Amino acid sequence: EVQLVESGGGLVQPGGSLRLSCAASGFMFSGHWMSWARQAPGKGLEWVANIKEDGSEKYYVDSVKGRFTISRDNTKNSLYLQINSLRAEDTAVYYCATGAGQDWGQGTLVIVSS
Amino acid sequence: DVVMSQSPLSLLVTLGQPASISCRPSQSLIYSDGYTYLSWFQQRPGQSPRRLIYKVSNRDSGVPDRFSGSGSGTDFTLKISRVEAEDVGVYYCMQGTHWPRTFGQGTKLEI
Repeated sequence: EVQLVESGGGLVQPGGSLRLSCAASGFMFSGHWMSWARQAPGKGLEWVANIKEDGSEKYYVDSVKGRFTISRDNTKNSLYLQINSLRAEDTAVYYCATGAGQDWGQGTLVIVSS
Repeated sequence: DVVMSQSPLSLLVTLGQPASISCRPSQSLIYSDGYTYLSWFQQRPGQSPRRLIYKVSNRDSGVPDRFSGSGSGTDFTLKISRVEAEDVGVYYCMQGTHWPRTFGQGTKLEI
């Protein structure tokens, strides 16, 4: 059974940083593109970033370019999202998903507030 | 970016009746490999999204056959043949052809 478990969310001040993690199990992690998506409270889904199987290609939505960095460690079956220079509009539940969205984690909540 | 326009944004359906959701991308979703990467997701209240359909019309494992996807070009549809109580939630289309990936606004289905 595929499992994706996010962690690392929390309350952070504007301008602050967080590192989100996603622990993957139940499938060959190193053989899949992986994604981060987010959902602001009461709003729709927004795709945030993707990373290729070997980490050689990364793509981001424009609103996070230069502030967010997606990475992975295939030896640990883990996906990461480093989020810097946080803004109030980054407040959302952040989901880890397999690249094509076949499987999703339960999400981790990031609140940006002073 | 590809804009995904869904309609309607809200849908009130009677149990056992059909439902249909439209998704219109702002440009073609045909990738260089010939496939069209259009997916449909369901998000039940309080839950994570779940993919129902991929590449326009392929149902994911465990998805009831009352869900079907169709379409081509810039006109795609998700159909539920007979709505059940467990189908309540928000439905999103998403394109996986162009970067960045983009979702539709979501269609809230109520009974």
